[in-house]
Amino acid sequence: EAQVTQNPRYLITVTGKKLTVTCSQNMNHEYMSWYRQDPGLGLRQIYYSMNVEVTDKGDVPEGYKVSRKEKRNFPLILESPSPNQTSLYFCASSLGWTPSLAKNIQYFGAGTRLSVL
Amino acid sequence: DAKTTQPTSMDCAEGRAANLPCNHSTISGNEYVYWYRQIHSQGPQYIIHGLKNNETNEMASLIITEDRKSSTLILPHATLRDTAVYYCIVPYNQGGKLIFGQGTELSVKP
Repeated sequence: EAQVTQNPRYLITVTGKKLTVTCSQNMNHEYMSWYRQDPGLGLRQIYYSMNVEVTDKGDVPEGYKVSRKEKRNFPLILESPSPNQTSLYFCASSLGWTPSLAKNIQYFGAGTRLSVL
Repeated sequence: DAKTTQPTSMDCAEGRAANLPCNHSTISGNEYVYWYRQIHSQGPQYIIHGLKNNETNEMASLIITEDRKSSTLILPHATLRDTAVYYCIVPYNQGGKLIFGQGTELSVKP
């Protein structure tokens, strides 16, 4: 089954303790992205990757790192989490991303709910 | 900032058609309009996309005005399970950057 898998689904941690949220897709997609969702602010893009070893900042990259060493995986790293990073996180992937092409449908994971105390 | 404008919320009676409007007056000639929805706190789900012709699939229909400055997503027979936030997206032509905006919260009522 084609899917985007995030782990963990729920995580409670403390300020400053490094953590990684994993994201994996089995569709051989080139494009992957991370979003966070907060009440009243909607979905905001954190980082995205157009292909292996190619990453770029979205709208809210501060406090986050990503890596894309292989096509299927795109982990989100919080080196020193803070309470303002408490949020619902989504990973997404698509075949590619060019606004003028039709085949750029994004598939989303089920989400990771993170609480930083 | 999002390139689209949608009403914050809408209600629809179960079994009736739900028509969700979206304004995208600054859309470029080669940019597609995508619609997604998010049920409660689940991951957003793709619904439909279009360039300039009207489109229909098993989930919905998309009507795009001739000048392409606005579109309407139509759920022909809304059910309670269609209660969700619906996002109209026109991607920025800046690499992979994607902005969702606030979306329209659709409530389907019995």
